[in-house]
Amino acid sequence: DAGITQSPRHKVTETGTPVTLRCHQTENHRYMYWYRQDPGHGLRLIHYSYGVKDTDKGEVSDGYSVSRSKTEDFLLTLESATSSQTSVYFCAISESLSRGGVNEKLFFGSGTQLSVL
Amino acid sequence: DQQVKQNSPSLSVQEGRISILNCDYTNSMFDYFLWYKKYPAEGPTFLISISSIKDKNEDGRFTVFLNKSAKHLSLHIVPSQPGDSAVYFCAASDSRGADGLTFGKGTHLIIQP
Repeated sequence: DAGITQSPRHKVTETGTPVTLRCHQTENHRYMYWYRQDPGHGLRLIHYSYGVKDTDKGEVSDGYSVSRSKTEDFLLTLESATSSQTSVYFCAISESLSRGGVNEKLFFGSGTQLSVL
Repeated sequence: DQQVKQNSPSLSVQEGRISILNCDYTNSMFDYFLWYKKYPAEGPTFLISISSIKDKNEDGRFTVFLNKSAKHLSLHIVPSQPGDSAVYFCAASDSRGADGLTFGKGTHLIIQP
């Protein structure tokens, strides 16, 4: 298994509160991603990072911010949680290819179940 | 607008028979395709992939077929086993970018004993 740890595994919070989810990897991979999984929607990309302090928006980035101050950590923050952000959040990593570019195969963490009441 | 479509939310197959999961895509820039398997309360795990320069890739009981002209791929599992019961996600990538994979909604495969 790829060395990816997500914390917390479960969280219940109230609408309007800030929430930070953490993804930690021990693989030293350059690329990191945050996805959310919802019934009827599959997995949708929130934000991704292609290096320390280099991040970009994904398909469903509204209401979320990210930070990557170290290679191994990628944080996802909900500044003011809403009920629509109740979801399962997955972190994923992928490695660089020796010829340049990124290996398309992603490795996923075990997920964080977030409930916003 | 969905770029990767899995039109069957669920599929029930008898143990020992063939399971065929289908996936369609609309973005002609996709050139790499993957299947992931997901059990409840776990993260998705990589199953098999195929590059657009191929039309078939086989790994044990799992075979993926790609029809580029139809923008269609399928995953065949032969023979199906009880442990294959899971949600299967089709995913696609434009390998020139670093913005991850685009996933379908998933198909819940149920293997009946």
